[in-house]
Amino acid sequence: GAVVSQHPSWVICKSGTSVKIECRSLDFQATTMFWYRQFPKQSLMLMATSNEGSKATYEQGVEKDKFLINHASLTLSTLTVTSAHPEDSSFYICSARDERRGVGNTEAFFGQGTRLTVV
Amino acid sequence: GESVGLHLPTLSVQEGDNSIINCAYSNSASDYFIWYKQESGKGPQFIIDIRSNMDKRQGQRVTVLLNKTVKHLSLQIAATQPGDSAVYFCAETYSGGYNKLIFGAGTRLAVHP
Repeated sequence: GAVVSQHPSWVICKSGTSVKIECRSLDFQATTMFWYRQFPKQSLMLMATSNEGSKATYEQGVEKDKFLINHASLTLSTLTVTSAHPEDSSFYICSARDERRGVGNTEAFFGQGTRLTVV
Repeated sequence: GESVGLHLPTLSVQEGDNSIINCAYSNSASDYFIWYKQESGKGPQFIIDIRSNMDKRQGQRVTVLLNKTVKHLSLQIAATQPGDSAVYFCAETYSGGYNKLIFGAGTRLAVHP
């Protein structure tokens, strides 16, 4: 199966600093990647859809200036949490689809997640 | 039996028993559904999927049932093993759109020896 790699797997940062999380599709190209956020004991909440070469599409209630998304290549999308605060502490997960599987394929492969702790 | 925890309901089963995890989806336009397993501190892992033109699909030890009339999905796990202990999520999407996956609330499966 296709592999999606996230980096770092965990990060601790000071309040007010920015943190960048990378999501890479290792053996396939993904024009679309998705970013999710998950609080403890809760489900995954879609934050935004990352489109290669264009602006990301954010879900309602997600601050685009707070969560900066860049999808500069077919294998890399980054999420930057700017001016992080303790309430931004969460588990962030990305996913991508393998475009080789053709139009209409909707199976998504997930990264291993990044646990962000803001102190 | 089932119980509702702080946020995730929990299904407790004995090793070797069959498990049934239920999910209600929200969008009648959704045409593709997936079950994921998530272990603590990890990303979701694909288990099985089903398209809306089917009502049942079987995999190895798992079966997914789809009832479009009441917008309900279930995941059946046969001969549940301790390694099946995890949180299970259903997800829905509409393949005619830009394919974003929307996740259900999740159920924690606890398998006791």
